[in-house]
Amino acid sequence: EIVLTQSPGTLSLSPGERATLSCRASQSVSSSYLAWYQQKPGQAPRLLIFGASSRATGIPDRFSGSGSGTDFTLSISRLEPEDFAVYYCQQYGSSPWTFGQGTMVEIK
Amino acid sequence: QMQLQESGPGLVKPSETLSLTCTVSGGSMSSRSYYWGWIRQPPGKGLEWIGSIYSSGNTNYNPSLKSRVTISVDTSKNQFSLRLSSVTAADTAVYYCARPYGSSWYSAFDVWGQGTMVTVSS
Repeated sequence: EIVLTQSPGTLSLSPGERATLSCRASQSVSSSYLAWYQQKPGQAPRLLIFGASSRATGIPDRFSGSGSGTDFTLSISRLEPEDFAVYYCQQYGSSPWTFGQGTMVEIK
Repeated sequence: QMQLQESGPGLVKPSETLSLTCTVSGGSMSSRSYYWGWIRQPPGKGLEWIGSIYSSGNTNYNPSLKSRVTISVDTSKNQFSLRLSSVTAADTAVYYCARPYGSSWYSAFDVWGQGTMVTVSS
């Protein structure tokens, strides 16, 4: 199975700053079938990005995804208070679908 | 707007079978075919895909759980279900049902239930 490693584990930033989250795969992710989710405490994950770079419905354009092969990035251009959460990447190009361990974006 | 809701016992004894149902509202499961999924999250940990079922009944399971998992679908009731046998404390988790954004097998999950906590304990 494809192992996804996210870095850093925790990102401490202030509102208005830019966040850059990394997701590295143990082998190439087929056709860039890579998604990013946001999860807040007590809530289900929310799909942000699919296909490595396509924003899901209703997702603000401050969220952007990039990458291919084994290296992917989620960027948040200017952090809003509601963006402080845990972010997970997921590959769905090779069964079993797998998730990264998560990156927590916390308020500095 | 389609919504999903998990239901089932919150406490299961070790060695017994965990059974959960996901009820779909705001749309018919028969109107469009999807690979409906189950995902779980142990307390304080990350997400694990358990398996998925197509509207026609074809299934795909995570090999790590395959010997213990059964997912079924009843489109007439707008429901799909999860059974996990021989549970241990390691199966304690929040269990989510989810629907992908597209009808293709290669689709991320964009509609999620709120999740239901299942604790395995005697």
